[in-house]
Amino acid sequence: GENVEQHPSTLSVQEGDSAVIKCTYSDSASNYFPWYKQELGKRPQLIIDIRSNVGEKKDQRIAVTLNKTAKHFSLHITETQPEDSAVYFCAASLEYGNKLVFGAGTILRVKS
Amino acid sequence: EAGVAQSPRYKIIEKRQSVAFWCNPISGHATLYWYQQILGQGPKLLIQFQNNGVVDDSQLPKDRFSAERLKGVDSTLKIQPAKLEDSAVYLCASSSRLANEQFFGPGTRLTVL
Repeated sequence: GENVEQHPSTLSVQEGDSAVIKCTYSDSASNYFPWYKQELGKRPQLIIDIRSNVGEKKDQRIAVTLNKTAKHFSLHITETQPEDSAVYFCAASLEYGNKLVFGAGTILRVKS
Repeated sequence: EAGVAQSPRYKIIEKRQSVAFWCNPISGHATLYWYQQILGQGPKLLIQFQNNGVVDDSQLPKDRFSAERLKGVDSTLKIQPAKLEDSAVYLCASSSRLANEQFFGPGTRLTVL
């Protein structure tokens, strides 16, 4: 079955700097890759997602890149702010309502 | 639109006791998921329903966990009997037939003593 590995497990950056979180997946059939943000004690919330027919997607300060050949995808956050501090999870799945397989998460701390 | 609802939000039980969680998905969402999130880990799928049928329960410990979605709307997840290692947050999520995005509920934090 699918296996998703996520790095780093913790990441500290200075406010205004960029943050990059990387994930690799094992199942070449996976073609949907969402990123979730989870604040302490709250539910995971989708922040951006990408499908395998696209190499990059951007939404304001966040972007995701996908390399299907290498089976890895990355989350990029620019101009980080204290409110970006949270746990970020990557995930992978097949299309249309299949289960998400999550990475172990990255604790992002943005220091002001 | 209203989000995914779950209850209770917190539950503390002793090992070998039973517990049940309830989930009400977003209206019209055919697919419902139960995930287990152990502290410091990503959510892990326990069971997936499509309407009232089970799509995937390969990671559900069937000797103690059960789930149902009888009318294709609400769902309950039961643990009987609970073990210490069942301490976790149980997240319910739902998605519509035509979209991948899964919307999560607030979760139920279970502590087994």
